[in-house]
Order: sequence, then C-alpha cells, then structure tokens
Amino acid sequence: AQTVTQSQPEMSVQEAETVTLSCTYDTSESDYYLFWYKQPPSRQMILVIRQEAYKQQNATENRFSVNFQKAAKSFSLKISDSQLGDAAMYFCASNPFQGAQKLVFGQGTRLTINP
Amino acid sequence: DTAVSQTPKYLVTQMGNDKSIKCEQNLGHDTMYWYKQDSKKFLKIMFSYNNKELIINETVPNRFSPKSPDKAHLNLHINSLELGDSAVYFCASSPQTGGATGANVLTFGAGSRLTVL
Repeated sequence: AQTVTQSQPEMSVQEAETVTLSCTYDTSESDYYLFWYKQPPSRQMILVIRQEAYKQQNATENRFSVNFQKAAKSFSLKISDSQLGDAAMYFCASNPFQGAQKLVFGQGTRLTINP
Repeated sequence: DTAVSQTPKYLVTQMGNDKSIKCEQNLGHDTMYWYKQDSKKFLKIMFSYNNKELIINETVPNRFSPKSPDKAHLNLHINSLELGDSAVYFCASSPQTGGATGANVLTFGAGSRLTVL
C-alpha cells in the first residue's frame, strides 16, 4: 500500500524567490517512482518532475529540483526564481515500478506567487 | 493535437439521470485510467484498463461502469447520478503497466467537471 502526505495546504512566495514544498510518503514497494504534478487554474494536470527511487541523484528540470531522501521517505520540490506562472496546486504522487499502476496523490499544496 | 482528450468538459445534470464521459488518447499507450478529484482537490484512482482489460477497480459504486472498446478509448458511464458524484473526472494514459523506464508516467486529459443538481 502507498500513502502520500503533503503537510502544507498553502504556501506563498515572492516573485523571483525560492520556495520548497514538502512531501512524505510510505510504500511497501521495493522500487517505485515519485512525481510532482502541477494543476493551474485551467485544471490540466502537468507533470513537473519525476524521480526513480533507485537513483540516488536528485532530479532537476530547469528551475525545478527535488530533494529525495529515501531513508526518510521524503520528496520535497524546490522552485527557484519563482514566476507568476508557477501559481498552481502542486501534487506529490507515487507509483510502483512494477505491476498495476496506481498513482497515489497527496492532498496538494496551493502555491501563491506574490508580485 | 491533444494527446488525451475528454468530452464533455462540463456537464450539469439532475439527480437520478444517467450520463457518460468519453476519453480518447492518441499516444499509442496501452493503459488508461479514470481518476476522480473531489471538492477538496483530492485525486483518487477509480479504474484502470490495460489493452481493454480491467486491471484496477477501486471499490467504486457499481453505478459507475467503465468501458474500453479499444485501447485508445476509455469511457465512463454513470447511472442514477447522486449529489456526491459532483466532481472533476480525469482520464489519463500511460505507455504500459510498469516495469520499464517511463512506463508509468501518466498523461492526463483536461478533466470533465460534473455537477449534479
């Protein structure tokens, strides 16, 4: 079974600053993926970044990077140089590597960017 | 060209009615899903199909019946709609059921907002 917890319902940051969104998870899978999805007001779910659990190196995608702590089961998202277009709901999610895919989401964090 | 398309985007109906939401993907993926996002934005899987075969059914009331005529299409039919069915329903697809790099990255449609009055 998998569970994903996001303990920050809302976060805000000044434009151009850096913000970190927290996520913890629990899983009985030996191998799995972790994801951050963004949901802007348009409602579209957009993949921001993904991390294979067997890789020790933290994933990065331009201004987005993760801090993956496997032993602590922690997977935080860092957004650098925040832009107005980053305002959205952010969801952390996990998925097993093998077998039936069942992407499990956290509760979401609403990120506001202050100009 | 939209990768995962859902129709309709908005649906307003009365309690007790039956309605369907259609989903099509042009990514050549083998696996398709339905997720429900409730009023608190919580997303939960309802069903998944792999090559037209049902592989996940997450204790969804049997008023909800998915149908996959081929691997590019997964429709959701809901009978006897209730107020609590009001939500956004997302269709998604992935290359396969896992076991390979990238296999379990889901691509989502834009969602269908269902309002039951």
